[in-house]
Amino acid sequence: AQTVTQSQPEMSVQEAETVTLSCTYDTSESNYYLFWYKQPPSRQMILVIRQEAYKQQNATENRFSVNFQKAAKSFSLKISDSQLGDTAMYFCAPSRGNNNDMRFGAGTRLTVKP
Amino acid sequence: EPEVTQTPSHQVTQMGQEVILRCVPISNHLYFYWYRQILGQKVEFLVSFYNNEISEKSEIFDDQFSVERPDGSNFTLKIRSTKLEDSAMYFCATSGGVDQETQYFGPGTRLLVL
Repeated sequence: AQTVTQSQPEMSVQEAETVTLSCTYDTSESNYYLFWYKQPPSRQMILVIRQEAYKQQNATENRFSVNFQKAAKSFSLKISDSQLGDTAMYFCAPSRGNNNDMRFGAGTRLTVKP
Repeated sequence: EPEVTQTPSHQVTQMGQEVILRCVPISNHLYFYWYRQILGQKVEFLVSFYNNEISEKSEIFDDQFSVERPDGSNFTLKIRSTKLEDSAMYFCATSGGVDQETQYFGPGTRLLVL
């Protein structure tokens, strides 16, 4: 079974600054996928970014990027130019892919301050 | 942009009653999932479903739970005899199409068992 650790229960950042959320995981799979989801106060789960484990290049999506270290089983999320709308819970979730469950970390509550 | 939809958005029920939660997947998606999130806790996998049968289920998904796709469009989660501890947000997610590994979540059903 996969275990997921998000070691920062809460973080805060000033608007326009950069913040990095950490995630480590444990898996015996050789090929898998990694996701970050955002959950604002509405509790909707919104996909932020995904990474295929077989790809060495780190994924980027506008202001969001990841630092994927496969050997260390680390998958951190960097948010650049933070905006007030980025305030949310952020969940890291590895997945074995199609038809398989995602296992979520406990989440990091991010607050962007004006 | 296609979305996963869920009904009802909120449901209040008495302990011991049956509830059915409904999900309409994105139209070309073939893989379906249910997750739950007890207030203040992480998102937990319940079950995955493909080709009209369960692919995987967690230890939470006991005999009180069942899933089906009765009419080829809706995907349902039934809880036969609700318990107080079933109170949670229930999320449907679906995957498929070109990006088969990414799960897209519905807005959730907030279930309260009294």
